[in-house]
Amino acid sequence: DAKTTQPPSMDCAEGRAANLPCNHSTISGNEYVYWYRQIHSQGPQYIIHGLKNNETNEMASLIITEDRKSSTLILPHATLRDTAVYYCIVRAEEKLVFGKGTKLTVNP
Amino acid sequence: DTAVSQTPKYLVTQMGNDKSIKCEQNLGHDTMYWYKQDSKKFLKIMFSYNNKELIINETVPNRFSPKSPDKAHLNLHINSLELGDSAVYFCASSQGRANEKLFFGSGTQLSVL
Repeated sequence: DAKTTQPPSMDCAEGRAANLPCNHSTISGNEYVYWYRQIHSQGPQYIIHGLKNNETNEMASLIITEDRKSSTLILPHATLRDTAVYYCIVRAEEKLVFGKGTKLTVNP
Repeated sequence: DTAVSQTPKYLVTQMGNDKSIKCEQNLGHDTMYWYKQDSKKFLKIMFSYNNKELIINETVPNRFSPKSPDKAHLNLHINSLELGDSAVYFCASSQGRANEKLFFGSGTQLSVL
């Protein structure tokens, strides 16, 4: 049911920026893009969300293309603790529908 | 204080038994959810309650019955447990019903033998 496409896995060097892409070509005008992550054996954690403007908070930045068909989550200085599965979600109605996500591994 | 807390963290039981998982949130949120994560790691919504009223029921077998005594609690009762019910169950809450960020509990790992 997920409306997004993400690469299954990515690697990143510690201290470098991690750029996680997401395609959501069928997104409609009033749907938000959400990013969550799940660190092993923990519950999912909210990271950031946006509608059409780029967003930044203490955890990450979200870049949404002008046509809104894709977005990129940026972790500016990845640490080993950022190793997790990252989920890009287009909010459908009143529920979050999780896809398979991207397994990000941050290497020392 | 933990924002969304679930008990127990681990639950091991025999097929056919009835069990409950409790969830409490101290965030003052109006909406609570139950999600199931199976062995393939897919997270699927099961139920959602808003102010004690059921708003989402995702074709879950009626052996699963959520109960919300007040808006801070959403418990999950499972009757006649089956092997396929083995999974991690996550409770979550949000302030509203739409476009709100969810806060998840740490999960309950249910193993049915």
